Amino acid sequence: DAKTTQPNSMESNEEEPVHLPCNHSTISGTDYIHWYRQLPSQGPEYVIHGLTSNVNNRMASLAIAEDRKSSTLILHRATLRDAAVYYCILRHGGLTGNQFYFGTGTSLTVIP
Amino acid sequence: KAGVTQTPRYLIKTRGQQVTLSCSPISGHRSVSWYQQTPGQGLQFLFEYFSETQRNKGNFPGRFSGRQFSNSRSEMNVSTLELGDSALYLCASSLGRQGNTEAFFGQGTRLTVV
Repeated sequence: DAKTTQPNSMESNEEEPVHLPCNHSTISGTDYIHWYRQLPSQGPEYVIHGLTSNVNNRMASLAIAEDRKSSTLILHRATLRDAAVYYCILRHGGLTGNQFYFGTGTSLTVIP
Repeated sequence: KAGVTQTPRYLIKTRGQQVTLSCSPISGHRSVSWYQQTPGQGLQFLFEYFSETQRNKGNFPGRFSGRQFSNSRSEMNVSTLELGDSALYLCASSLGRQGNTEAFFGQGTRLTVV
């Protein structure tokens, strides 16, 4: 799977929007961009995924660059419960299996 | 709908012993993957099972093995435990194996080897 690059850590004030960037310059045309987050003492949790178009769900929005070499996870109003490590992962679009290759992720701190 | 259930939640074993961890996936999910998480190495893929067959394997020694039953429940086994096997072991279940499929993770089993 192609590699992703994320900042090690970010801070945000509570109730403000948070933009978490991810670079994936070697992405292939069929790679899906997935985001997961891991809260302390829990397993990773699915956040959102997309292929080419921007995506929205109840948790977050995913903005994908036109060339698909980068993406941004947007939390519209950060809460203390959003403090977690956020992982950006690429997955081939075909029947390639469910192995996820996690990088180091971005540790998000939310300041009250 | 029940989530992914891993048992036990905590385990303490002695070096040289073996251990078996269990994972019950979400009903209807046939794909189960296992991961090891340590502070030094992060989250690392161990193996994936689908329809009782191992489909993919990560870069771990043969002491790490697993299996999947006809009801999709999965077990992983670690033999001849070493101190470095102390970790959080996570399993994830998915409905399918395509790249646009989301995975649901359990809370993990915390294994301590002393």
